[in-house]
Amino acid sequence: GDSVIQMQGQVTLSENDFLFINCTYSTTGYPTLFWYVQYSGEGPQLLLQVTTANNKGSSRGFEATYDKGTTSFHLQKTSVQEIDSAVYYCAMGDNNNAPRFGAGTKLSVKP
Amino acid sequence: GALVYQYPRRTICKSGTSMRMECQAVGFQATSVAWYRQSPQKTFELIALSTVNSAIKYEQNFTQEKFPISHPNLSFSSMTVLNAYLEDRGLYLCGAKLGLGGSETLYFGSGTRLTVL
Repeated sequence: GDSVIQMQGQVTLSENDFLFINCTYSTTGYPTLFWYVQYSGEGPQLLLQVTTANNKGSSRGFEATYDKGTTSFHLQKTSVQEIDSAVYYCAMGDNNNAPRFGAGTKLSVKP
Repeated sequence: GALVYQYPRRTICKSGTSMRMECQAVGFQATSVAWYRQSPQKTFELIALSTVNSAIKYEQNFTQEKFPISHPNLSFSSMTVLNAYLEDRGLYLCGAKLGLGGSETLYFGSGTRLTVL
């Protein structure tokens, strides 16, 4: 069945470190892929999305490439800041269903 | 910009009672509304997807009998948790989107946190 896998439950970095959050997906269709970010006490908000395979999405210094070959959509940022501390969710959507979310990766950035 | 408001933000109910939560889209027309539950230590569980002019689609393990949903117009949806028990506690999130396609962005409210005593 359709699924989104985030293996990293938690990532702890220092400011200006490089961020890499792993996300892979499984589906038989051609989904749109999303990254949502959830700050404490709030609902998730869209960070970026990519609809077409082999395209890259970017926002606020974050990037993710829709890699159909490896069925991955890893999130990266060159230099994280303390304000980036939040939980990041990879999600997958298609025309007939609401997006399905991964388990989330909690990012903690130390000053 | 698109905003989604959920009410109430927090609620407490006794075990076996029911609780209704609301979702309001502001600034856009919510053609589709998805309800999720975020339980402690868990990710978002999709409860159901409600699309205008279509039947509400419930996910496995969630039923209309337990989580009845109303979507009377393009700006409002409500969901009730009937006979709530401890396992129903969590953050209930409403996500609304303008279009019907899978590439449409889902805008979320801040959620209704349900505590069951």
